[in-house]
Amino acid sequence: SQKIEQNSEALNIQEGKTATLTCNYTNYSPAYLQWYRQDPGRGPVFLLLIRENEKEKRKERLKVTFDTTLKQSLFHITASQPADSATYLCALDPTSGGSYIPTFGRGTSLIVHP
Amino acid sequence: DTAVSQTPKYLVTQMGNDKSIKCEQNLGHDTMYWYKQDSKKFLKIMFSYNNKELIINETVPNRFSPKSPDKAHLNLHINSLELGDSAVYFCASSQAPEAYEQYFGPGTRLTVT
Repeated sequence: SQKIEQNSEALNIQEGKTATLTCNYTNYSPAYLQWYRQDPGRGPVFLLLIRENEKEKRKERLKVTFDTTLKQSLFHITASQPADSATYLCALDPTSGGSYIPTFGRGTSLIVHP
Repeated sequence: DTAVSQTPKYLVTQMGNDKSIKCEQNLGHDTMYWYKQDSKKFLKIMFSYNNKELIINETVPNRFSPKSPDKAHLNLHINSLELGDSAVYFCASSQAPEAYEQYFGPGTRLTVT
């Protein structure tokens, strides 16, 4: 069966360190993968999109990698700050019957301690 | 300016009632979505419309009926509400159905008692 797996345990790190979150998937062949941030009581906010032919994408302190052989994406936040504390969701867009069905992982909670 | 707005933000109702949630986007996007996020925070797509036409209709009870009067609006009507319908419902929009980031609304927390 198709699965998107993100670490269900919260990631606790100290301010200033690099946070690395993982998104693994099985039985998908996504053309691209997206990362979103969700704060409590709010809707997800888009952060980055990476395509299957891209190894790495950067935006300010954020970096995403996409390894289609390992079926894995890594999401890095460098010089993390307490304001980065949130839940981070990865999303794939597998095609089913000609339609793209956005499919989200359950998300990983990041807690950055001052 | 709010890009994607939903009303109401909170909805508390009894089993068996019928309720609607409204969504509007002012981004000029062609595609709109409804998602359900359950208590375990799992965000699952329910419907998607592109240019007012239904393009995604996931395994959702037919008590749920989306309606898109125009490209900027996608409403969700729910008949005969059940306890299991309690969740947060998010509306989202994107420029096109694929390979584009989605913009989410603030969510509607539905509680069925």
